[in-house]
Amino acid sequence: DARVTQTPRHKVTEMGQEVTMRCQPILGHNTVFWYRQTMMQGLELLAYFRNRAPLDDSGMPKDRFSAEMPDATLATLKIQPSEPRDSAVYFCASSLRADTQYFGPGTRLTVL
Amino acid sequence: AQSVTQLDSHVSVSEGTPVLLRCNYSSSYSPSLFWYVQHPNKGLQLLLKYTSAATLVKGINGFEAEFKKSETSFHLTKPSAHMSDAAEYFCVVTMMDSSYKLIFGSGTRLLVRP
Repeated sequence: DARVTQTPRHKVTEMGQEVTMRCQPILGHNTVFWYRQTMMQGLELLAYFRNRAPLDDSGMPKDRFSAEMPDATLATLKIQPSEPRDSAVYFCASSLRADTQYFGPGTRLTVL
Repeated sequence: AQSVTQLDSHVSVSEGTPVLLRCNYSSSYSPSLFWYVQHPNKGLQLLLKYTSAATLVKGINGFEAEFKKSETSFHLTKPSAHMSDAAEYFCVVTMMDSSYKLIFGSGTRLLVRP
């Protein structure tokens, strides 16, 4: 049963600290998406990659967020420095071709 | 431009009674449409998808949805609600460009009363 995995599942940190979230897409999937979910904004697309190349990161605050895919089995989302308004659930999703995205369980981030 | 509208933010049903979650879409082209479910503190799980092969789509856990082009609707139904169906449901359409980005509805929270 292939699944998207994300680590950590929960992260509590203090304002100003660096946060790194990791995602392992389903083996063979070539497109990876990062989303953020909050009560106020719902689900927002932050960035996505195809064949490890970043295609769109217009949803991310550029000054503090960065996303990378060091290899085909790992995607990372970093926040430096973190702020309380970054508190949210961050989801990773992967897909092989057009449109069917499979979501990971999410990382719940709390910035104090 | 593509968009989806979920007509109810909350739906409450009794266990054993039918479920209807409504979704209308807007698309210039024949869309790909999905329903995802999110249980509390969980990720989004794909329930079903429509990609023009058949207008009545069967999904997991007894759910199904019917694509009606004339009504631009893609409502989700289930004949008999179970307590475990209590969750948030998202109707989703794919952007018809090469990005395959998803456009999410605002969600419908389903409450199931014993």
